[in-house]
Amino acid sequence: DIQMTQSPSSLSASVGDRVTITCRASQGIRNDLGWYQQKPGKAPKRLIYAASSLHSGVPSRFSGSGSGTEFTLTISSLQPEDFATYYCLQHNSYPQTFGQGTKVEI
Amino acid sequence: EVQLLESGGGLVQSGGSLRLSCAASGFRFSNYAMGWVRQAPGKGLEWVAVITDSGGSRHYADSVRGRFTISRDNSQNTLFLQMNSLRAEDTAVYFCAKNDYIDSIDYWGQGTLVTVSS
Repeated sequence: DIQMTQSPSSLSASVGDRVTITCRASQGIRNDLGWYQQKPGKAPKRLIYAASSLHSGVPSRFSGSGSGTEFTLTISSLQPEDFATYYCLQHNSYPQTFGQGTKVEI
Repeated sequence: EVQLLESGGGLVQSGGSLRLSCAASGFRFSNYAMGWVRQAPGKGLEWVAVITDSGGSRHYADSVRGRFTISRDNSQNTLFLQMNSLRAEDTAVYFCAKNDYIDSIDYWGQGTLVTVSS
């Protein structure tokens, strides 16, 4: 199975900050990676697919990059509604696997 | 608008069974693979199972293989998860998930809580 290592597990930031979250795959997964945002008590929502494509309706302050084994989610200017937990998910092979999550806090 | 509505969760004793359902609308259900993801209380997301659009192929996480069965009824736009031999560690919110054409999860249901008492 492919292991996804996500870092950091949590971070403190302020409104307007630039935030970067990283996922590393245990083997190459091309660009078969998505990023998801989850708020407490709610279902996750997709932000990014194919490593760098923005899901419909997602603000342009979110961006993704990477290929192979190293991937990054960047929030260019953190907004109050962005405080949440973020997960990466590889869909290169089954079983699909999530990163451990990154909680973005004030 | 894509809508996924799970049902069937509840409290069950260890060793028992439960069947989850997911009613889909807003897209052509029979054209997409569908799956389940779960989240134990206070924990991260865990991928559980997927079924292809026709139902011809299924994949499972090691943690549920042999105990859970995913199925679908394309005539009723409904996805199922039959869960047998339930354990305390299966306690979680179970989300129904739609895959897009590149097998990335693009939409999620609101989830249904399964609690297994020991």
